[in-house]
Amino acid sequence: NAGVTQTPKFQVLKTGQSMTLQCAQDMNHNSMYWYRQDPGMGLRLIYYSASEGTTDKGEVPNGYNVSRLNKREFSLRLESAAPSQTSVYFCASKDSTDTQYFGPGTRLTVL
Amino acid sequence: QKEVEQNSGPLSVPEGAIASLNCTYSDRGSQSFFWYRQYSGKSPELIMFIYSNGDKEDGRFTAQLNKASQYVSLLIRDSQPSDSATYLCAVNSGAGSYQLTFGKGTKLSVIP
Repeated sequence: NAGVTQTPKFQVLKTGQSMTLQCAQDMNHNSMYWYRQDPGMGLRLIYYSASEGTTDKGEVPNGYNVSRLNKREFSLRLESAAPSQTSVYFCASKDSTDTQYFGPGTRLTVL
Repeated sequence: QKEVEQNSGPLSVPEGAIASLNCTYSDRGSQSFFWYRQYSGKSPELIMFIYSNGDKEDGRFTAQLNKASQYVSLLIRDSQPSDSATYLCAVNSGAGSYQLTFGKGTKLSVIP
């Protein structure tokens, strides 16, 4: 039982490049989330998917897109990376107690 | 806008002492409350959650909730150096809400 997994763990991009962050969970949870965490800013919600087939914007959605591929997988895409998107990205899934379980994170640097 | 406030710290306590971490929230309709621990360079991990007013104990950890004062706290008894981490308070705004609002965290340092 791996819980929530994320790939890659680290990534360096140049401004304007695109990439997709992958997330998968094996806990049969309906809801999945993407956060970014910056020093002094705490965890900020980018997008979430309440259930398979639905996605909604969070607090900081600009510059990102998401895809809920199936119940297990939820990806985050940066179409044209900017230095302001340098951050640590966490994926999470939620159980019936509203507890969210986090993946190990992706550390992204945009030069 | 829903807000969750925590003292950023650092909070320093000697080994064996009680560490007290506090959190206030703005949404009076909030229904469930979570404490997460985050070690440096790692992801947040759940310590415990609480739904009802009063105390909830789990080992060395006790969560306290006072909905009238919009206040939730976490007590860590017999603090250990391994408890040194950032503690995040998170609040769910109730039935139908899929989102947690996180505080910015309190950094705890347990001094041997």
